[in-house]
Amino acid sequence: QLQESGPGLVKTSETLSLTCTVSGGAISSYWWNWVRQPPGKGPEWIGHIYFSGSTNYNPSLKSRVTISLAPSKSQFSLTLSSVTAADTAVYYCASSNYYDSKLDYWGQGALVTVSS
Amino acid sequence: QSVLTQPPSASGTPGQTVTISCSGSSSNIGIKSVNWYQQFPGTAPQLLIYRNIHRPSGVPDRFSGSKSGTSASLAISGLQSEDEAVYYCAAWDDSLNGRVFGGGTKLTVL
Repeated sequence: QLQESGPGLVKTSETLSLTCTVSGGAISSYWWNWVRQPPGKGPEWIGHIYFSGSTNYNPSLKSRVTISLAPSKSQFSLTLSSVTAADTAVYYCASSNYYDSKLDYWGQGALVTVSS
Repeated sequence: QSVLTQPPSASGTPGQTVTISCSGSSSNIGIKSVNWYQQFPGTAPQLLIYRNIHRPSGVPDRFSGSKSGTSASLAISGLQSEDEAVYYCAAWDDSLNGRVFGGGTKLTVL
């Protein structure tokens, strides 16, 4: 089971930070993903991290994104800097067995609104 | 503009078969597996089909997937009112080195 947490409102130009808590299974041996979905639009993959610390990011967001892992807390986190209104979306965390395989478990999502 | 192309809408009457297409390229669908997700309003996408043709446990066999070349399809037979949802295809893209999604197809059961 995955659960997102973090502020629901972020000011323009500031940094968005979210955490995903993993329960019911080990955080090792999986790829941990962040996906976002702007209102009325399709999902957009943000990036992922492997338990070894290896990461991949969406090229369109790469300069602003960091995904990190805290295995002792069974958590992984997302930071997105210099946000604008275009970053307003529901943010989901999700897991996959391999870097390119299905996203089989998803969190319920966290709505983050960016406003001045 | 999504990397994978889906029709924005599809419709059918109860009992009919509906097919949703997903078009990609040689860097994604052409060389990687396609997964399909079903999303109801206000909920997270849920895995419907994985590795082109496989259904997770609990998904009715009315849902089936296929892939040919750089395109994939999702077929829903014996359409039911509870199938009304938005359907997304997704795959890994080797050129972008990341996951890509289709824009989604909203299915309406008339």
